[in-house]
Amino acid sequence: NAGVTQTPKFQVLKTGQSMTLQCAQDMNHEYMSWYRQDPGMGLRLIHYSVGAGITDQGEVPNGYNVSRSTTEDFPLRLLSAAPSQTSVYFCATNRVGGTEAFFGQGTRLTVV
Amino acid sequence: DAKTTQPNSMESNEEEPVHLPCNHSTISGTDYIHWYRQLPSQGPEYVIHGLTSNVNNRMASLAIAEDRKSSTLILHRATLRDAAVYYCILSPRRGNEKLTFGTGTRLTIIP
Repeated sequence: NAGVTQTPKFQVLKTGQSMTLQCAQDMNHEYMSWYRQDPGMGLRLIHYSVGAGITDQGEVPNGYNVSRSTTEDFPLRLLSAAPSQTSVYFCATNRVGGTEAFFGQGTRLTVV
Repeated sequence: DAKTTQPNSMESNEEEPVHLPCNHSTISGTDYIHWYRQLPSQGPEYVIHGLTSNVNNRMASLAIAEDRKSSTLILHRATLRDAAVYYCILSPRRGNEKLTFGTGTRLTIIP
């Protein structure tokens, strides 16, 4: 099992560009979430999903869109990248009633 | 949401026990206490969780105060691989799709 796979691992964008961060899981977990981690900080929740077709906003959703058309995939879209979105992005999954969340290895995004 | 307070950093010698404290004085009766750790350049990984009773697993032990206003993560015999940032997190359910991370405790292991 691959667990939680995030692509790409590194990305550099110019201000105003758009891109999609991919997250795929093979654990058949219902819950999927996106977090961002700025230097020296803990993770902050961007968006989350409790199942296919259902998404909701977290603590810092502005500038990001998500959709969940399948159980396996939960892409995060940056509509118009800004330098303030320079961060490391983590995707996580969790099953209903589960005790632990599983995180991907992260995508390091730099916006110049 | 209930808040947790952890020391910014701690050091410990290799092969000795480590006690990582967490204060959560505003914890509600239904909040679970979770611990995650983040190794350098990796995503967080689950360590342990508990509600009221002390808990043990293969990675660590969790000691919860009787009034539940504090808890301690215990690594019984620290290795260099245990050097990480440790996060103490409260959640209203046993498992949660929404975790609120603080800044955690950076644990340094001295060889």
